[in-house]
Amino acid sequence: DTAVSQTPKYLVTQMGNDKSIKCEQNLGHDTMYWYKQDSKKFLKIMFSYNNKELIINETVPNRFSPKSPDKAHLNLHINSLELGDSAVYFCASSRAGPSYGYTFGSGTRLTVV
Amino acid sequence: AQSVTQLGSHVSVSEGALVLLRCNYSSSVPPYLFWYVQYPNQGLQLLLKYTTGATLVKGINGFEAEFKKSETSFHLTKPSAHMSDAAEYFCAVSGPSNTGNQFYFGTGTSLTVIP
Repeated sequence: DTAVSQTPKYLVTQMGNDKSIKCEQNLGHDTMYWYKQDSKKFLKIMFSYNNKELIINETVPNRFSPKSPDKAHLNLHINSLELGDSAVYFCASSRAGPSYGYTFGSGTRLTVV
Repeated sequence: AQSVTQLGSHVSVSEGALVLLRCNYSSSVPPYLFWYVQYPNQGLQLLLKYTTGATLVKGINGFEAEFKKSETSFHLTKPSAHMSDAAEYFCAVSGPSNTGNQFYFGTGTSLTVIP
């Protein structure tokens, strides 16, 4: 029943490792997003995909690479993790058009040690 | 371009008191405005939104917001705070950009409810 699901919910890893976060939505939405929320709760968009096509790619280190195998999935792969990557990462999806809100996943808390 | 300013990063109210969370927006086109709530260790949940029509919008959990174009505001209110309202609240504006529609979030307001 979960509309936007992310896995894992928690991720603790060492500096230099490579990790992936998975996201799936069952709402039939065309657009999916990755947001980063820092310790001050500030939300920053990282990527946006529309029907598997990259739409938004904000200033994000190229260690971060999104992949969308189909419009229901948007995964985030992070190479060579750094301490500053520690944050909560949210996946979201929406229908096309500015009047539709986003549906968010419950987040993945990434801690790099 | 669109942007959102939330005045007050922290707001404290007593249980039963009025909740008022402020949001001002900037938009070059008619805005679509949203309020989201984030409970501890959870994702963001849509509280309410304004698209067109009636400027007073009612949402879940007794919250409402009024779109005031002349003041470029979309403040969130609730007549009587409950302990369960303690959370982070985000105002957002949605509009077109050169990369398609995009959300612009405010920096959030943390609401504390004092028993």
